[in-house]
Amino acid sequence: NAGVTQTPKFRVLKTGQSMTLLCAQDMNHEYMYWYRQDPGMGLRLIHYSVGEGTTAKGEVPDGYNVSRLKKQNFLLGLESAAPSQTSVYFCGTQGAGWSYDEQFFGPGTRLTVL
Amino acid sequence: QKEVEQDPGPLSVPEGAIVSLNCTYSNSAFQYFMWYRQYSRKGPELLMYTYSSGNKEDGRFTAQVDKSSKYISLFIRDSQPSDSATYLCAMDSSYKLIFGSGTRLLVRP
Repeated sequence: NAGVTQTPKFRVLKTGQSMTLLCAQDMNHEYMYWYRQDPGMGLRLIHYSVGEGTTAKGEVPDGYNVSRLKKQNFLLGLESAAPSQTSVYFCGTQGAGWSYDEQFFGPGTRLTVL
Repeated sequence: QKEVEQDPGPLSVPEGAIVSLNCTYSNSAFQYFMWYRQYSRKGPELLMYTYSSGNKEDGRFTAQVDKSSKYISLFIRDSQPSDSATYLCAMDSSYKLIFGSGTRLLVRP
């Protein structure tokens, strides 16, 4: 988890509330991504970014929005939270050239939507 | 059918055993194959990655890829209690990783 931080670590929301998860990295990595992990399942890609100012949809993008205004930050937004969005969210980064020698995940954000 | 299938386990072995973890996949376009270790309540940690077919060894860990069978394996030799974790396989599809569901491994002292 070197160099990748996620804020907050835990959060409880009520249905319909909004929130933003922040991923920050200090490694100057081009690629950043957001995954969710549900019990008994692997990680599923929500959105990703291949550089500052760019974003793209992943496997499960509905109900989420993202922004990458600064290279070091990747924000994940929930406009109107639903219980189905209860999950653990992981941010990841990857170095230039999509190098797996430089790939890291953050420690995760545990989100509960009541 | 999921693109990547992985037996969820749990797999329980005695200390010192050789562990074999496996994944199958359906997309022949995958080129990179990864194995991650994830301790409870932590983020995934990349253990090894392999490009295309073949073997790769790193200490007690060996990764194998058989593209003709769409089958990948991770072997852990001389397993230790500290190896107890969930192991996730993943495959690369155009800047996107497709993960298996993970196999829980418990190494008993």
